[in-house]
Amino acid sequence: GQNIDQPTEMTATEGAIVQINCTYQTSGFNGLFWYQQHAGEAPTFLSYNVLDGLEEKGRFSSFLSRSKGYSYLLLKELQMKDSASYLCAVRDGTGRRALTFGSGTRLQVQP
Amino acid sequence: DVKVTQSSRYLVKRTGEKVFLECVQDMDHENMFWYRQDPGLGLRLIYFSYDVKMKEKGDIPEGYSVSREKKERFSLILESASTNQTSMYLCASLGVGPPSGNTGELFFGEGSRLTVL
Repeated sequence: GQNIDQPTEMTATEGAIVQINCTYQTSGFNGLFWYQQHAGEAPTFLSYNVLDGLEEKGRFSSFLSRSKGYSYLLLKELQMKDSASYLCAVRDGTGRRALTFGSGTRLQVQP
Repeated sequence: DVKVTQSSRYLVKRTGEKVFLECVQDMDHENMFWYRQDPGLGLRLIYFSYDVKMKEKGDIPEGYSVSREKKERFSLILESASTNQTSMYLCASLGVGPPSGNTGELFFGEGSRLTVL
């Protein structure tokens, strides 16, 4: 079956750097996604990795190692507005277009 | 921008009632999905549709059905609501061309929070 693991909660300080890890075991692989979700709002797309390596997008970066079934989301120069849940999701290799999601990591940024 | 609109943000229903959750997208996307989101369990796929009149079961379809009579609209139906269906329901869409075409990202609606008493 599909299994995606990420920490339940993390706390970090404003201005710091935080890394949110995600490990996955799926039937094949066709891309890994990170979403941000503020309380009571829709998840919004942050990043996509399909090849190994680092993708950088402003203060956010995402890394993928397919051989290890591992990804991380790196948030730099943390701001209070980054307090949110971060969802790791995978599209497997079966041809299914839906994404399978982890349970999400709730990040609390403190002053 | 892609817009996915869910008809009701908050609903309160009684056990046994029939519930309709409506979702409309404005980007002519072929693919639409219904997820439910529960604390500690993340988003779980209920049903999806790749085309009009087409529907497929997701990972947790029991107690739900769907309807896709028009391309832009995907409805989730709870035939007889039960308390264990109290949840946040999220609709999403996916296109094969821009803006989804390069990454295949899903676009989500704001969610419908359903409470069944």
